[in-house]
Amino acid sequence: EIVLTQSPGTLSLSPGQRATLSCRASQSFSSSYLAWYQQKPGQAPRLLIYGASNRATGIPDRFSGSGSGTDFTLNISGLEPEDFAVYYCHQYSSSLVTFGGGTKVEIK
Amino acid sequence: QVQLVQSGAEVKKPGSSVKVSCKVSGGTFSDFSISWVRQAPGQGLEWMGGIIPIFATSHYAQRFQGRLTITADESTSSAYMELYGLRSEDTAVYYCARGTFEVRLHDAFDKWGQGTMVTVSP
Repeated sequence: EIVLTQSPGTLSLSPGQRATLSCRASQSFSSSYLAWYQQKPGQAPRLLIYGASNRATGIPDRFSGSGSGTDFTLNISGLEPEDFAVYYCHQYSSSLVTFGGGTKVEIK
Repeated sequence: QVQLVQSGAEVKKPGSSVKVSCKVSGGTFSDFSISWVRQAPGQGLEWMGGIIPIFATSHYAQRFQGRLTITADESTSSAYMELYGLRSEDTAVYYCARGTFEVRLHDAFDKWGQGTMVTVSP
């Protein structure tokens, strides 16, 4: 099973700042199978990025994903008030689908 | 637009089973995978298993093998998740989620149901 470790656990930032979230895998896999989600309290997750770098439909271009092998990154350039939430990475490269533990982006 | 609507909250006794439904509307049902993902209170996301309705073959996470059944009914565009032998640790919100691309079991999830709270309590 591929274990995904997200860091930091919590990121305290102000609106307008840039957020950089990390997702590290316990073994290498194709970047075609890495996704990022945003989840707000009481809501279902929302797909932001699939295939490591492809924005899902309707996702603003301030969200960008990158990475390969075992290291993946989600960047949010210029945090908007609605971006404060929990973010999860997700690998679907094999039948052993796993999620990371999440990074909470909170208002400083 | 595609919507996934799940059945309502459940309260179950330990040792019993629960069946949650997920009805898909506004799009093609049979060709896209439906997975079930759960989230315990205050915790992260956990993939349980999935199905592509047109193939009617389910795949399960190892930890749920033998305790979980995922099915799909093309005639009603609905998917079902049944979990047996419930214990307190199964208390969670259960989500159904649709794959992004056709005929891919393991996929990113672009549409989600609203979630169903299942509480297991004596």
